Amino acid sequence: AAGVIQSPRHLIKEKRETATLKCYPIPRHDTVYWYQQGPGQDPQFLISFYEKMQSDKGSIPDRFSAQQFSDYHSELNMSSLELGDSALYFCASSFSGKVQETQYFGPGTRLLVL
Amino acid sequence: QKEVEQDPGPLSVPEGAIVSLNCTYSNSAFQYFMWYRQYSRKGPELLMYTYSSGNKEDGRFTAQVDKSSKYISLFIRDSQPSDSATYLCAMSAGNAGNMLTFGGGTRLMVKP
Repeated sequence: AAGVIQSPRHLIKEKRETATLKCYPIPRHDTVYWYQQGPGQDPQFLISFYEKMQSDKGSIPDRFSAQQFSDYHSELNMSSLELGDSALYFCASSFSGKVQETQYFGPGTRLLVL
Repeated sequence: QKEVEQDPGPLSVPEGAIVSLNCTYSNSAFQYFMWYRQYSRKGPELLMYTYSSGNKEDGRFTAQVDKSSKYISLFIRDSQPSDSATYLCAMSAGNAGNMLTFGGGTRLMVKP
C-alpha cells in the first residue's frame, strides 16, 4: 500500500539558511500534520492542514510556515535556521471522512543545521 | 507536567515474555488512543488504534483503555527480538486536523 512520502530524506544547512521540506500524503488523505522530533524526544506537533486550510497550530516557531496545496501535498518552509532546529521532521496524513481518524507517518526528513 | 506520561524505560525482557507498556494522561477530552512503534531513525508505525474505553486485540498485541482512570496499556505476547523498538502512546480528541499528543516513549529490548 502507498505510504506517506517525504523529501528530501536528509538535509544539511548552515545557520541562517532556509529549508523546504515536502510531504506527499497517502492517496485520498485530505489532512496533513507536521511533527518535530529532537534526539531522544517524542514527536512534537507543529501544524496541521485539513482541505488546504490550517487546522491546528502547535509549537511552531514564527520562522516556520507551511501550506497545503490543491493536490494535498504540503510544504514546511523554515527560515533563519538555528542549530536547535536540527531534528527529524515527520509528516503524517489521515482521511477525515472516516469516523476513526488514524494518522500515518512518513519516514521523516533528517535536518542538520551546522 | 506533561499531558501524557510514559515510563521511558529501557525495559529489557527475555524472548517469549509478556510485555506490558503503559501511559497515563490528564486531558479528559482525549477519545482516540494509539500505540506507535518506532525503530531507530525511522518514522512511527501505527500498531493499535482504540476509540474510548475497552480492549482491542490484533495478533500478539492487545490494547486496553480505561478512561475512568485515564490509563492505557499495550500488551505484547510472546515477545520477539524484532519487537525491540521504542513504543509511543499517542492520543487525540479526534476532530479533523486534531493533533496527536505523544507520551515520551518506552524503549523495549527483547533479548534472544
